[in-house]
Amino acid sequence: QVQLQESGPGLLKPSETLSLTCTVSGYSISNNYFWGWIRQPPGKGLEWIGNIHHSGSTYYNPSLKSRVTISVDTSKNQFSLKLSSVTASDTAVYHCARQPAGFYDSTGYFPYYFDSWGQGTLVTVSS
Amino acid sequence: DIVMTQSPDSLAVSLGERATINCKSSQSVLYSSNNKNYLAWYQQKPRQPPKLLIYWASTRESGVPDRFSGSGSGTDFTLTISSLQSEDVAVYYCQQYYTTPHFGPGTRVDIK
Repeated sequence: QVQLQESGPGLLKPSETLSLTCTVSGYSISNNYFWGWIRQPPGKGLEWIGNIHHSGSTYYNPSLKSRVTISVDTSKNQFSLKLSSVTASDTAVYHCARQPAGFYDSTGYFPYYFDSWGQGTLVTVSS
Repeated sequence: DIVMTQSPDSLAVSLGERATINCKSSQSVLYSSNNKNYLAWYQQKPRQPPKLLIYWASTRESGVPDRFSGSGSGTDFTLTISSLQSEDVAVYYCQQYYTTPHFGPGTRVDIK
C-alpha cells in the first residue's frame, strides 16, 4: 500500500524559498503515475500547485508557475517542491499526492485524479 | 481554465436521510473520444487529508461504501449519500482533471 510523507521546514520568512520533499513508500515512483502537490490555507479550500511524471513531464498551476519547481529523485523514491519568494499568502498545509496517468497522442502522459495523499505539513510564512 | 462551483455551501441532514451535493464546471469535462467525464469527488474530515471517493464521475474508489454515488455528465454533476451516517460528517470537494486540476470550493455536510 502506497504511503506518502511530506517533510521540510515549517516556518519561513517572507521572500525565502519553500522547499518540501515527499517520500513515497510501498510503491515505485517510476511507475506510470504523476506525483503532485496541493495546498490548503487554514480553513480554506484546496489549490493544486503542480505535478511531475518520472519521465520528466510536468504541469504547473499557471498562477504559481513563475515561482514553482517540482523535481523527482527516483533513486530515493522522492519528489520535491520549491516555491520561491514566499509571502504570508503562501501559508498553508502542503500535501503531496499520487495521480494515475493516461497517455494521449496529443499531450503525452496526462494526470488524472488524486488517489493517495500524504497527511500534509503546515508551512507558515511570517516575519 | 475550467472553474468548478458547488452547491450548497453547507447542508445538514438527519441520520439515515439522503444528502445531495451539486457540482458544476464552467466548461464540459466530457472527453468525446472515450466518453469519460474527468470529474472526481473527495471527502475531507477535520485534520485529515482528502480521501478519493469517486472518479470518472461515477466510479467508486475501492473500499468506499456503496451509499456514496456519483452521477452527471458534461458540466453538471451530483454526489449522493443515500443514507447519511455520523462518520460522513465532512467537507466534500469536486475536482475536474480535464485540464489543469481545479477543485470546487467544498460543501460541508453536518447532522441535523
